[in-house]
Amino acid sequence: DGGITQSPKYLFRKEGQNVTLSCEQNLNHDAMYWYRQDPGQGLRLIYYSQIVNDFQKGDIAEGYSVSREKKESFPLTVTSAQKNPTAFYLCASSLPGASDYTFGSGTRLTVV
Amino acid sequence: AQSVTQPDIHITVSEGASLELRCNYSYGATPYLFWYVQSPGQGLQLLLKYFSGDTLVQGIKGFEAEFKRSQSSFNLRKPSVHWSDAAEYFCAVYGQNFVFGPGTRLSVLP
Repeated sequence: DGGITQSPKYLFRKEGQNVTLSCEQNLNHDAMYWYRQDPGQGLRLIYYSQIVNDFQKGDIAEGYSVSREKKESFPLTVTSAQKNPTAFYLCASSLPGASDYTFGSGTRLTVV
Repeated sequence: AQSVTQPDIHITVSEGASLELRCNYSYGATPYLFWYVQSPGQGLQLLLKYFSGDTLVQGIKGFEAEFKRSQSSFNLRKPSVHWSDAAEYFCAVYGQNFVFGPGTRLSVLP
């Protein structure tokens, strides 16, 4: 079955550390997205990539970095510069320009 | 600029009662509108979407939504709620990317 896999499901990070969240898809989608979800704020776009080796900042990119070396993978690094990283992170993918997104099941990051 | 508001943060209904979740949007052109549902700790599942045509849209799990251009609304309805419908519901508008509303949490009383 095709889908998106996010790992790990739960992640704990000490203050000052970088941490990388994994997102892998086998849907042959060119476009991939990272969203941050906080209670009462819906989903906010962090970064997106429409094609391999290219990505764009979303609305809240500060303190985050991404890479897109393979079509199937779009890892998100939460850097120590992100002031409030505790949140639920969702990855999604789609065909280019399409609104039919497939979402992963999310990673909950907690800073301890 | 695109924006989506969902006026109700939390709604509680009894099982078997009808449900309406409100959504208002702001968008310069004809909007593509969506409703998603999220169970705790899970991703988003698409319930239904509106692109054009018939303003009453049928979705999965017995949900429907009505697009009203004059009111800039896209309210979600279900005639009889089941306990398994308890979840968070997000309305979204799609332009170049998605803009999501803040969500409405639905609780269902037995």
